Amino acid sequence: QKEVEQNSGPLSVPEGAIASLNCTYSDRGSQSFFWYRQYSGKSPELIMSIYSNGDKEDGRFTAQLNKASQYVSLLIRDSQPSDSATYLCAVNIIPPLASGGSYIPTFGRGTSLIVHP
Amino acid sequence: DTGVSQDPRHKITKRGQNVTFRCDPISEHNRLYWYRQTLGQGPEFLTYFQNEAQLEKSRLLSDRFSAERPKGSFSTLEIQRTEQGDSAMYLCASSLADGATYEQYFGPGTRLTVT
Repeated sequence: QKEVEQNSGPLSVPEGAIASLNCTYSDRGSQSFFWYRQYSGKSPELIMSIYSNGDKEDGRFTAQLNKASQYVSLLIRDSQPSDSATYLCAVNIIPPLASGGSYIPTFGRGTSLIVHP
Repeated sequence: DTGVSQDPRHKITKRGQNVTFRCDPISEHNRLYWYRQTLGQGPEFLTYFQNEAQLEKSRLLSDRFSAERPKGSFSTLEIQRTEQGDSAMYLCASSLADGATYEQYFGPGTRLTVT
């Protein structure tokens, strides 16, 4: 089982709709979770971080975390064509025999989002 | 522009040659990370530093790869005896890991092509 799993998509939504992106992870000890956006040919850009169970909102973006279910999601409201990109979920996985707050940042393969006019 | 810079942006090399990449993080950031990314995949962790100490290194990483951060500022990633399978985007990121937050900010990447 991969440590961070995402549906590769593509997820296609009409302009103005809500896009829902999902991610599951395997390490129950993980405490830090992130969503990045990556346009084709560019490097990842941080959108949201979330550390506690529940929802965290920032503008049109809402991250949701459920540690019991090992599930993190990203909702994009009022989707725009400029939101079309690959969305990467990242989790700081605690490796065996970790010391001093060490972790392995682990990314999913990303979900491709297409917002059509 | 996140403030993380990488040099060079593109590198074409012949199989068997050594290459070295440089990353300059955001100045106040204490952690620096290296990743490799191939088409259709997420970034694959290679290693990271806290200040000058290398804290973690991927167990899958070949011993042809080595990284340094000698003064806790910029870092270099060297690949010896390059192979065609090393062709990828090499990403650097930095973060201010203060015990509460761990957000990483990526540089533009170095695209390596091994012929």
